[in-house]
Amino acid sequence: DVQMTQSPSYLAASPGESVSISCKASKSINTYLAWYQEKPGKTNKLLIYSGSTLQSGTPSRFSGSGSGTDFTLTIRSLEPEDFAVYYCQQHNEYPLTFGSGTKLEIK
Amino acid sequence: QVQLQQSGAELVKPGSSVKISCKASGYTFTSYDMHWIKQQPGNGLEWIGWIYPGNGNTKYNQKFNGKATLTADKSSSTAYMQLSSLTSEDSAVYFCARVALRYYGSYYFDYWGQGVMVTVSS
Repeated sequence: DVQMTQSPSYLAASPGESVSISCKASKSINTYLAWYQEKPGKTNKLLIYSGSTLQSGTPSRFSGSGSGTDFTLTIRSLEPEDFAVYYCQQHNEYPLTFGSGTKLEIK
Repeated sequence: QVQLQQSGAELVKPGSSVKISCKASGYTFTSYDMHWIKQQPGNGLEWIGWIYPGNGNTKYNQKFNGKATLTADKSSSTAYMQLSSLTSEDSAVYFCARVALRYYGSYYFDYWGQGVMVTVSS
């Protein structure tokens, strides 16, 4: 199975700042990485797939980059609604696997 | 709009089984794979398997072979997951989620259910 190592597990930032979250795969997954946002009381939201393609409705302040084994989610100019938990998921092969999550909190 | 409405929380006894549901609306149920995912605090998210309601084909994570059984009812646009021989390790939140496309490299989830908490306790 492809192991996904996500870091940091916790991140504190202020509105207006930019943050980056890393996701590393144990072997190459080409560009097949997705990012999700988890918020209380809401269903999980797909933000980005195939490494860098924004899902319809995802604000342009979100961006994804990377290929092979190293990927990054960047959120520029944080808005109050961005404080949430973020997960990465490789969609290259079965079994599908996820990172352990990053909790983004307001500083 | 696409919605996946899952059944309510379950409290079940060790050794028993539980069947949870995921009712789909807003799209053609038989045309998209439905996946199931387990979430435990501290263990992150684990992919369980998928079912294609169009023909009932399934694929499981080897880890969940014998634990989870996926079915679908086309007449009610509802997917089901039965978990058997329950232990405390099965206490978790279980999600259904739709995959947008069926071809290689497209196994990401564009819609999720709200999750069902299953608690295994005597």
